[in-house]
Amino acid sequence: GENVEQHPSTLSVQEGDSAVIKCTYSDSASNYFPWYKQELGKGPQLIIDIRSNVGEKKDQRIAVTLNKTAKHFSLHITETQPEDSAVYFCAASINQGGKLIFGQGTELSVKP
Amino acid sequence: GAVVSQHPSWVICKSGTSVKIECRSLDFQATTMFWYRQFPKQSLMLMATSNEGSKATYEQGVEKDKFLINHASLTLSTLTVTSAHPEDSSFYICSARWWGIGDNSPLHFGNGTRLTVT
Repeated sequence: GENVEQHPSTLSVQEGDSAVIKCTYSDSASNYFPWYKQELGKGPQLIIDIRSNVGEKKDQRIAVTLNKTAKHFSLHITETQPEDSAVYFCAASINQGGKLIFGQGTELSVKP
Repeated sequence: GAVVSQHPSWVICKSGTSVKIECRSLDFQATTMFWYRQFPKQSLMLMATSNEGSKATYEQGVEKDKFLINHASLTLSTLTVTSAHPEDSSFYICSARWWGIGDNSPLHFGNGTRLTVT
């Protein structure tokens, strides 16, 4: 089955700096890759997603890149703010409606 | 739109009792809902896929007789933890997919239920 690896497990940056979180997946059939932000005591919130027919997608300060050949995808957050502090999860699935397999999570801390 | 509501948000129960958790899609119909379990500082582990009107599909290692799932309508799925034990204490999260536009809608998650078994 699918296996998703996520790095780093913790990331601390200064406010205004960029943050990058990387994930790799094992199943070449996976074609949908969402990123979720989870705040303490809450459920995950979708922040951006990308399909395998696209190499990059951007939404304001957030961008995701996908390298299908290498089977890895990354989340980029620019101009980080303290409210970006949370746990971020990458995930992969076969088709958008398939079950999601999550990475281990990255705890991002943005220091003011 | 696409709001998923979970109830209760937290529950404390005694060992041996059963607890029911509800997951509702508030403004859309969800033929498929997923139930996840999350331990502190860990990732979300898929427990089962809940399909409206049919039996749930459980992931390997998840006891179907312990974690009863019912998806009786297009807007409601329930997870019942039967004969709960302290090791069942966890954060349970459901997710649902909006079928309004076919297979192109993302998963939306509820805010989770914190279960503590004493």
